[in-house]
Amino acid sequence: EVQLVESGGGLVQPGGSLRLSCAASGFTFNNHWMSWVRQAPGKGLEWVANIKQDGSEKYYVDSVKGRFTISRDNAKNSLYLQMNSLRAEDTAVYYCAKYYGSAFDYWGQGTLVTVSS
Amino acid sequence: QSALTQPRSVSGSPGQSVTISCTGTSSDVGGYNSVSWYQQHPDRAPKLMIYDVNKRPSGVPDRFSGSESGNTASLTISGLQAEDEADYYCCSYAGGPYVFGTGTKVTVL
Repeated sequence: EVQLVESGGGLVQPGGSLRLSCAASGFTFNNHWMSWVRQAPGKGLEWVANIKQDGSEKYYVDSVKGRFTISRDNAKNSLYLQMNSLRAEDTAVYYCAKYYGSAFDYWGQGTLVTVSS
Repeated sequence: QSALTQPRSVSGSPGQSVTISCTGTSSDVGGYNSVSWYQQHPDRAPKLMIYDVNKRPSGVPDRFSGSESGNTASLTISGLQAEDEADYYCCSYAGGPYVFGTGTKVTVL
């Protein structure tokens, strides 16, 4: 059974940093692109970043470029999102998602990040 | 990276059909056969309903179908059921990045 379990969310002040983790199991992690998708309270889904199987390609939504870094550790079956210079508008539930072709076939339960003073 | 445009809401009675549109550009929807659709119930993670424009994952009822014409993709729910009431999002590959639609609330009357 495929499982994606996010952790690392919480309350952080504007300008602060946070590192999200996603523990994957039930599939061959290093065979798949992985992604982070977020959803602000009461708002729609927003794709944040993705990373190729070997980490050699990464893409970001414009609003997080230069502040967020996606990475992975295939030996640990884990995906990460390092978030720096956080802003109030980064407040959201952050989902880890597995790719199947060009779609997200499995999602984690999400971890809430709140940026507030 | 502008969000794809969806209607805010659509509604229908049980047994009826509803169609949700998803309009993008030639840089996303119109440029690739890579539109997917997600269903999201309140406080739940999204669920993949359609991928590659018109393919259904295993376990998704055949009441759900997808299509595309030019820069617009569509999701049709036939034989609407109470459990179909949810938010629906389209998503398109955009040459590296991805972009989601604005979301549509489907109400079963």
